[in-house]
Amino acid sequence: KNQVEQSPQSLIILEGKNCTLQCNYTVSPFSNLRWYKQDTGRGPVSLTIMTFSENTKSNGRYTATLDADTKQSSLHITASQLSDSASYICVVSARSNYQLIWGAGTKLIIKP
Amino acid sequence: SQTIHQWPATLVQPVGSPLSLECTVEGTSNPNLYWYRQAAGRGLQLLFYSVGIGQISSEVPQNLSASRPQDRQFILSSKKLLLSDSGFYLCAWSVGGLGEKLFFGSGTQLSVL
Repeated sequence: KNQVEQSPQSLIILEGKNCTLQCNYTVSPFSNLRWYKQDTGRGPVSLTIMTFSENTKSNGRYTATLDADTKQSSLHITASQLSDSASYICVVSARSNYQLIWGAGTKLIIKP
Repeated sequence: SQTIHQWPATLVQPVGSPLSLECTVEGTSNPNLYWYRQAAGRGLQLLFYSVGIGQISSEVPQNLSASRPQDRQFILSSKKLLLSDSGFYLCAWSVGGLGEKLFFGSGTQLSVL
């Protein structure tokens, strides 16, 4: 069964600190993996999209990694800011039908 | 530049009442359009998608329906709302294949009482 699991479910860190969010998936055949940021009460916004051949991709202070062998991805946030408080969602696309399998997200809270 | 408009932002409806949520996209032609529902603590669930006017694909059986009367307009409807229809509804668009990057609207929080 195609699944995407994220951890931790929630995370609280102090402003300025770094953090890493995890995503494990069982989607096959794999097409691409995406990370979205969703502010409370808003629609998700794309941060990165990685295909099978990409190991890492950055978007400002956000760096996503992908290990297609172990079917794991991580999102690293550097020097966190209060505006980083949001849910971060991992999404995997299946190559067979472009179906998107959505994780439940990690709720990140940045405290001053 | 492309923009997506979704309204209303919040809606409180009694059980058994009808529903109509509207979504429009500007600045692009022939987009793929999607309706998603997000329950608290759960991943987004794809409800409907459309690759062209009048073409609607349903992903899950439910109490809802969708229509695409114009190229850049997508409507989510129900004749009689159920309590279980409560949730956060998101409209999205993409261009090219269905696996391309999605752009989301700001969402509608629907509460059925």
